[in-house]
Amino acid sequence: GAVVSQHPSRVICKSGTSVKIECRSLDFQATTMFWYRQFPKQSLMLMATSNEGSKATYEQGVEKDKFLINHASLTLSTLTVTSAHPEDSSFYICSARDDRAGRVYNEQFFGPGTRLTVL
Amino acid sequence: AQSVSQHNHHVILSEAASLELGCNYSYGGTVNLFWYVQYPGQHLQLLLKYFSGDPLVKGIKGFEAEFIKSKFSFNLRKPSVQWSDTAEYFCAVSFIKAAGNKLTFGGGTRVLVKP
Repeated sequence: GAVVSQHPSRVICKSGTSVKIECRSLDFQATTMFWYRQFPKQSLMLMATSNEGSKATYEQGVEKDKFLINHASLTLSTLTVTSAHPEDSSFYICSARDDRAGRVYNEQFFGPGTRLTVL
Repeated sequence: AQSVSQHNHHVILSEAASLELGCNYSYGGTVNLFWYVQYPGQHLQLLLKYFSGDPLVKGIKGFEAEFIKSKFSFNLRKPSVQWSDTAEYFCAVSFIKAAGNKLTFGGGTRVLVKP
């Protein structure tokens, strides 16, 4: 149990286009999901917290108009990189917190990541 | 601000050697502690976690970690590594009642086990 999927796994796009990445919790409900960015050979940096039915909470320095997050259901959150530029190229990882565990434990289950390359 | 640091960026060792990876955090309050592993080309997997109770926690694949509150540390250990333990290891901390209970990751340690 506790499987998180991401789609697509890889995407290459032209500069100026928008890209949507999906994050799904397959066998559990997740009121809260998280979006991270991982640069090569670096750690995960939290971009935003996605809350089902409400607005996402963005970390300092993350442009909310650039990285649109929609958490429309208890099993799906989407990240849209708008007007992508080469500097947005990165590995984007989502995670989901299993509601059954309760908010106390904050254990997160991670998706396999999406490699975005902007030409 | 709360932070997590991992002392070693790269570790190279031979099979059967013992492994210890350091992790320290800065926060005086209650924390939940995690170690994740990322094998080449795969997603993050949870190795072990600490919430409360016995500060020595055992995880999967023979890994264990010890929470030393006085040292703000949560070091990961494995007595005898295998080639298949080659991966990147991340320490993560949830600072309870601060920063919205989000996970903060350390910089990661790349471990290469030579056969």
